[in-house]
Order: sequence, then structure tokens, then C-alpha cells
Amino acid sequence: KQEVTQIPAALSVPEGENLVLNCSFTDSAIYNLQWFRQDPGKGLTSLLLIQSSQREQTSGRLNASLDKSSGRSTLYIAASQPGDSATYLCAVMNSGGSNYKLTFGKGTLLTVNP
Amino acid sequence: ETGVTQSPTHLIKTRGQQVTLRCSSQSGHNTVSWYQQALGQGPQFIFQYYREEENGRGNFPPRFSGLQFPNYSSELNVNALELDDSALYLCASSFQITANEQYFGPGTRLTVT
Repeated sequence: KQEVTQIPAALSVPEGENLVLNCSFTDSAIYNLQWFRQDPGKGLTSLLLIQSSQREQTSGRLNASLDKSSGRSTLYIAASQPGDSATYLCAVMNSGGSNYKLTFGKGTLLTVNP
Repeated sequence: ETGVTQSPTHLIKTRGQQVTLRCSSQSGHNTVSWYQQALGQGPQFIFQYYREEENGRGNFPPRFSGLQFPNYSSELNVNALELDDSALYLCASSFQITANEQYFGPGTRLTVT
């Protein structure tokens, strides 16, 4: 059974700081890994998707890396801004027999202080 | 915006009642997955529908059921509501049943009192 762990559970940083969010998973037989952002009471916004054959993906100030063999991914946020404050969720896609499902971590609650 | 829509946005039900949540897939997507997100938790996989058939289920009791229609829209039905069913329900559509990206709707917030 796939388990996804995100560390830290919460993080508070001053504006402008670079930061790293961590995600680990127990079953390395994944098809892809995705990072999402979730604002309070809202749905999920996809940030980056890394296919299992890829090592990293970049979008603007965000960079996500994947080390499938060790079961780890990191999300790097450069020059953080107050608008980055949200919960960040990591999810991995596995095959559950005939279906492909996402297993999520519990998220990291990020607060960027002005 | 992913093109996936869900209705209603919010609803409040009483314990023991039944509820139906609706999801409209992104154009061209024939696979819909449903997830439950309790407060402070990550979303959990409920089940997936592909071409109108259930195609895999997570650890949820039979009172959670679904339908997918010929236009690939979907419903999630929950019978005999319990307080612990209070959560954000998310649907996600994808193109084909393969390991492609799933595109999420905005969710339906269900409160059971």
C-alpha cells in the first residue's frame, strides 16, 4: 500500500526566502508525481507534474525534483511571496490493478510573512 | 481553470439522509475519479469510472456509489450519511484510463449535522 509523507507539516518564513518542501513515498513503482496548491476551503491547483522517467520540472519560481529510487521529491520555491501562502500537497500515481489512482500526502501548510 | 465543474458548491445534510454530488468532465475525457478530503487531511481515492463502469475502488463502504453517463459526466451518491462524511469531495477527469494527469474540479463541500 502506497503511503505518502510530507515534511514539514507547517512552515512559516519571511518574504523573499527560498524554501524546500519534502515529500516521500513508500512504493517506488509510480507513474508520475504531482505537486498541488490548495487555498483554504478551495479545490486543488496543479503546480507541477513529473513523469516517472523525469528528474525535475520547473515553472517560474517553482522547481520540483524526483528521485524515484529513493522515494523522494522536493518542491523548491524561490523568493517566496505572501501570495504563496497555502497548503502544498504531493501526490503519486500508482496502478491499483485496472485503475490509476493518486495517493496524497497530508500537505505542508506554508505561511509567508510580509 | 481545468474545465471540470462540480455542483453544488456547498450543501448541508442531516445524518441518515442521502446526497448526490455531480461532476462534469473536461471535454474529451472519459475517465472520472472521485476523492474525499476530510479537514486537515489529503484527498483519499473513493472510486474511478471509465466508460460508464466502475473501474477500481478505494477503502470506502458500499453506501458510497457512483454513476457515469454517456457524456462522461458523473455522480457520487452517499446513502445513510454519517457525521464523518463531512468533507470536501473532489472529482478529477482524465483522458483515457492510462496514467495521465488528472484534472480536478473545485469540489463540493458537504457538511453533515
